[in-house]
Amino acid sequence: DAKTTQPNSMESNEEEPVHLPCNHSTISGTDYIHWYRQLPSQGPEYVIHGLTSNVNNRMASLAIAEDRKSSTLILHRATLRDAAVYYCILRDRLDSNYQLIWGAGTKLIIKP
Amino acid sequence: DTEVTQTPKHLVMGMTNKKSLKCEQHMGHRAMYWYKQKAKKPPELMFVYSYEKLSINESVPSRFSPECPNSSLLNLHLHALQPEDSALYLCASSQEEEGEETQYFGPGTRLLVL
Repeated sequence: DAKTTQPNSMESNEEEPVHLPCNHSTISGTDYIHWYRQLPSQGPEYVIHGLTSNVNNRMASLAIAEDRKSSTLILHRATLRDAAVYYCILRDRLDSNYQLIWGAGTKLIIKP
Repeated sequence: DTEVTQTPKHLVMGMTNKKSLKCEQHMGHRAMYWYKQKAKKPPELMFVYSYEKLSINESVPSRFSPECPNSSLLNLHLHALQPEDSALYLCASSQEEEGEETQYFGPGTRLLVL
């Protein structure tokens, strides 16, 4: 299975943009890139996903490198409520059981 | 309603006890999942049910026994657990959104085995 590599932790100031990197150099052509986050004492929460093109939704943007070997989750204006562990995940779209291959996660610390 | 509920929130059990974890979703999702999460680690997949049939068992010890009574409910029966089984147990369900499957997680049951 392809794997993802993320920094253990990152810090950012409140109301500033945050760029969370993820490396997935062994990604296959059928792998989707997903991001989930887990706030303290909660279950994980879906953030965004993409395959080849950059994606935007109400929570974040996902920038995918042209060779797909890396991606970046962008929070445009971080708030204290965005402090969480962010997981970069691959999912093989040919897998009918929809298994997620989780990275180790990046703990995002937001400073007021 | 995009909620997955889990009961109980916390559970303490001895190694000889039998207990059950419950999970419920009313979103009509066809797949449901059990995960185990240790502190500071990502969730580890245990079981996947698809259309109420067990489709994946990730080599989980038999002291964990899943059950899917209907399309909205998922149980995890626990028997003769070990202290190392103490963890957060997460339930999830999934549906297709924008051409891809998205998982919705419950808040988890925090289990302590003494």
